[in-house]
Amino acid sequence: SYELTQPLSVSVALGQTARITCGGNNIGSKNVHWYQQKPGQAPVVVIYRDNNRPSGIPERFSGSNSGNTATLTISRAQAGDEADYYCQVWDSSTVVFGGGTKLTVL
Amino acid sequence: QLQLQESGPGLVKPSETLSLTCTVSGGSISSSGYYWGWIRQPPGKGLEWIGSIYYSGNTYYNPSLKSRVTISVDTSENQFSLRLTSVTAADTAVYYCARMGTTTVTLDYWGQGTLVTVS
Repeated sequence: SYELTQPLSVSVALGQTARITCGGNNIGSKNVHWYQQKPGQAPVVVIYRDNNRPSGIPERFSGSNSGNTATLTISRAQAGDEADYYCQVWDSSTVVFGGGTKLTVL
Repeated sequence: QLQLQESGPGLVKPSETLSLTCTVSGGSISSSGYYWGWIRQPPGKGLEWIGSIYYSGNTYYNPSLKSRVTISVDTSENQFSLRLTSVTAADTAVYYCARMGTTTVTLDYWGQGTLVTVS
């Protein structure tokens, strides 16, 4: 089965840029989606199909995907960005999630 | 605005069957172009996809749960349901229902989630 690997945690200083990676075999050939989950809430999609933002998601959120790594980039990080982030792909007719990354804004 | 709402028992005994229903409002479950699915999250852990269904009844399941899972749809009630048999404490989790586009394969609308404890 396909596996997605994320770092357990990432820290970023307030106002700086955070990068969260999602590793998978030839992930660049797949569409990658990113979800933000705050405590006690359902996940919310922040990036779909590698680099597309749903309406209402700030331009500070962007994504890229190439080779074996997809990356979620959060520019000018704010305290409100502190959350768990999950990457997701569709592989062999199944939904696959990464293990999740806890983003801490210092 | 599309809304999804999970309902069902919050406590299930070991070896019994967990049953949940997701009611969709603000849109039709029979709309083409969407799967309807279940995702769970054990306390303090990550997301795990359980399975998805199309309004026609076509289903996709997580291979690790397939032997115990049944997802069904009731278009007349605009609902879809989850049955998970032979539960253990490891099935204790928040269970979410969600909509997924067939082309984007993105989970774009989620229910608020419901905690099911196996004890």
